[in-house]
Amino acid sequence: GDSVTQMEGPVTLSEEAFLTINCTYTATGYPSLFWYVQYPGEGLQLLLKATKADDKGSNKGFEATYRKETTSFHLEKGSVQVSDSAVYFCALSAPLSKTYKYIFGTGTRLKVLA
Amino acid sequence: KAGVTQTPRYLIKTRGQQVTLSCSPISGHRSVSWYQQTPGQGLQFLFEYFSETQRNKGNFPGRFSGRQFSNSRSEMNVSTLELGDSALYLCASSLGQVISTDTQYFGPGTRLTVL
Repeated sequence: GDSVTQMEGPVTLSEEAFLTINCTYTATGYPSLFWYVQYPGEGLQLLLKATKADDKGSNKGFEATYRKETTSFHLEKGSVQVSDSAVYFCALSAPLSKTYKYIFGTGTRLKVLA
Repeated sequence: KAGVTQTPRYLIKTRGQQVTLSCSPISGHRSVSWYQQTPGQGLQFLFEYFSETQRNKGNFPGRFSGRQFSNSRSEMNVSTLELGDSALYLCASSLGQVISTDTQYFGPGTRLTVL
């Protein structure tokens, strides 16, 4: 079945370090891919998305490219800040016959130290 | 545009009780989905409602139920609460189009603690 696999955390980085959080997926058809972020005590917020192969989603310095050949959607940021400390979820969305499915990865906790 | 709102934000109940959680979607959104989030299981899909009809359902027991009203607001109910039902319950709304690009927007969640 369809699934999303994320690298396990926690990931601990120093401020201004480069961030990569790996995400791979399996899906039939052509899903859209998303990254959501969850700050402590809050719900999930959409960070970025890509809807077709080779699309690059970007927001707040974060980027991810939809790679169909490697079925990946890795999240990157060139210089992280303490305020980026949160849990990051990779997700895919794919249509079903009369509805759609939204599948989330298990989340990767990022901790950025000053 | 106002975001997704959930009430209450926090609830404490005892085993055997029942609870009702409420979700108001973004104006114009017709789909509401519910998720249970726990440290051990991550985000698990409960069900999705569209135009007052349950359109999709996850693998949860019948104690978990929901409904959607004509204004797209949704409620979920958990009866005969168990300790394992303690979790953050998240509601997400979307336009409800059956296409992969339909983005879900999440509320802040209701933190349920069962004692």
